[in-house]
Amino acid sequence: AIRITQSPSSLSASTGDRVTITCRASQGISSYLAWYQQKPGKAPKLLIYAASTLQSGVPSRFSGSGSGTDFTLTISCLQSEDFATYYCQQYYSYPRTFGGGTKVEIK
Amino acid sequence: QVQLQESGPGLVKPSQTLSLTCTVSGGSISSGDYYWSWIRQPPGKGLEWIGYIYYSGSTYYNPSLKSRVTISVDTSKNQFSLKLSSVTAADTAVYYCARAESNDFWTKWGQGTLVTVSS
Repeated sequence: AIRITQSPSSLSASTGDRVTITCRASQGISSYLAWYQQKPGKAPKLLIYAASTLQSGVPSRFSGSGSGTDFTLTISCLQSEDFATYYCQQYYSYPRTFGGGTKVEIK
Repeated sequence: QVQLQESGPGLVKPSQTLSLTCTVSGGSISSGDYYWSWIRQPPGKGLEWIGYIYYSGSTYYNPSLKSRVTISVDTSKNQFSLKLSSVTAADTAVYYCARAESNDFWTKWGQGTLVTVSS
């Protein structure tokens, strides 16, 4: 199985900050990577797929980049509703696997 | 707007079989455009994909759970189901059903249901 290492596991930030989260795959996965946002008690919500394609309805302050083994999710100007946990997921091969998550907390 | 809803016992005894059903509303499970998955999340931990089923009945399971998992579909009821046998406390988790186009990533999720394994 492809292992996804996500970092950091948590971070503290303020509203308006620029936030960057990284995922590294144990082998090349081309651009077959998705990002999700999960709030407490809720199901994950798809933000980005194909490493950089914004899902319909997702604010443009979210962006994704990368290919191969290294990927980044950036929130350009953190809003109060963005405090949540973020997960990346590879769909290059089976089994589908997720990163360990990054919890974005209020500083 | 399609909706997914998990249902089943919230408490299962160790060594028994966990059984959950996902009911799909607002769309047909037989449309052929989607793949239907189960994903779980232990309390306070990350996400683990369990497996998927296509409306035709074809399945693929996570090798880590394959020996204990069965996913089935009932197109007449617009439902798909999960059975996980020989459960232990490590199987305590919120279980989500989810839908994917092209079986790549999930755009629709159920609200999740907590299943606790305890005697």
